[in-house]
Amino acid sequence: DIQMTQSPSSLSASVGDRVTITCRASQGISNYLAWYQQKPGKVPKLLIYAASTLQSGVPSRFSGSGSGTDFTLTISSLQPEDVATYYCQKYNSALSITFGQGTRLEIK
Amino acid sequence: QLQLQESGPGLVKPSETLSLTCTVSGGSISSSSYYWGWIRQPPGKGLEWIGSIYYSGSTYYNPSLKSRVTISVDTSKNQFSLKLSSVTAADTAVYYCARLPIPSLAFDIWGQGTMVTVSS
Repeated sequence: DIQMTQSPSSLSASVGDRVTITCRASQGISNYLAWYQQKPGKVPKLLIYAASTLQSGVPSRFSGSGSGTDFTLTISSLQPEDVATYYCQKYNSALSITFGQGTRLEIK
Repeated sequence: QLQLQESGPGLVKPSETLSLTCTVSGGSISSSSYYWGWIRQPPGKGLEWIGSIYYSGSTYYNPSLKSRVTISVDTSKNQFSLKLSSVTAADTAVYYCARLPIPSLAFDIWGQGTMVTVSS
């Protein structure tokens, strides 16, 4: 089974910083990757799908890139409301779905 | 606007079967454009996909849970359901239902989640 490894597991950054979170697949998954944001006590929210497509209504400071085994989620200018845990999720045509273990983002 | 709502017991005894239902409102579960899925999150931990279903009844399960999981759909009630057998304390979690559009296969609409505790 394909494993998803996120790094770092947690990070602290300042408002206005550029933040990058990485997700690595144990095998190639083309661009079959999504990113979610989960604020404390809230329901996960879809940010990006197909590795780089921004979900409707998501601020443009969020972007995704990558293909194959290495993917990144970038926040171009960190805002206080971006404090959350971020998860990657892979899928394939056989509907096998796996989430990464999560990256906790805090404001410094 | 499409909404999903989980329902079911909040407390289940060890070795028994956990049963939850997700009711879809504001749209049809019989749309050919979506799968529907269950995801869970133990307290303080990450997300785990349990399984997904198509309106026709085709199912897809997490291999680690497959022996204990059954997901079914009732199109007449616009609902889909989860049964997880032989539960233990490790199955204590918030259980979410969510919509899975084709072909993006990313969960775009989620229910609010329901906490299920396994305890005697």
